[in-house]
Amino acid sequence: AQKVTQAQTEISVVEKEDVTLDCVYETRDTTYYLFWYKQPPSGELVFLIRRNSFDEQNEISGRYSWNFQKSTSSFNFTITASQVVDSAVYFCALKEGGSEKLVFGKGTKLTVNP
Amino acid sequence: DTGVSQDPRHKITKRGQNVTFRCDPISEHNRLYWYRQTLGQGPEFLTYFQNEAQLEKSRLLSDRFSAERPKGSFSTLEIQRTEQGDSAMYLCASSLFPSANNEQFFGPGTRLTVL
Repeated sequence: AQKVTQAQTEISVVEKEDVTLDCVYETRDTTYYLFWYKQPPSGELVFLIRRNSFDEQNEISGRYSWNFQKSTSSFNFTITASQVVDSAVYFCALKEGGSEKLVFGKGTKLTVNP
Repeated sequence: DTGVSQDPRHKITKRGQNVTFRCDPISEHNRLYWYRQTLGQGPEFLTYFQNEAQLEKSRLLSDRFSAERPKGSFSTLEIQRTEQGDSAMYLCASSLFPSANNEQFFGPGTRLTVL
């Protein structure tokens, strides 16, 4: 069965701190895709990144970076030099190769204080 | 703006009433998805369409729920005989298949409150 676990329910940091959001997934498929979405207070989910199971290369986009490790079934997300605008709920999601269904974790609420 | 739109944004209804929500996907997108999100949880998949064909349904989609996409463009989600447990945010997403990123673009959601 597919499952995504985001163990951190809430994180609070001070602006300019680095913060890592953890994501652990379970799947029996060898082909799958991992995603991160951001849900700001306005409510609309915003796509951040997609990774497929065959590409373990870490990715950096500006202040955001992602660490995909198949050995530990983890796909962690780091924000460097956090800003108040980063405050949101962040969701990790999994899609198996044979399905269009996204399975989301429960989310991590990040609060960045000035 | 050509993003995914949903109507209404908020709906308050009494238990036992029927409600219908509408989703307009991004115009060239052929796939459309419905999810439900309750407070403090991640979105849960309900169903998806490719053009007008409903290709996958979750067990969460009970007999009281029905979704349609008659012309392969907008979609409606109807809930009959609403229950308090149906109170949630109903999210619609769309995507283009095939595409490089396989990304689902989400709308702002319809928040349903059943009294």
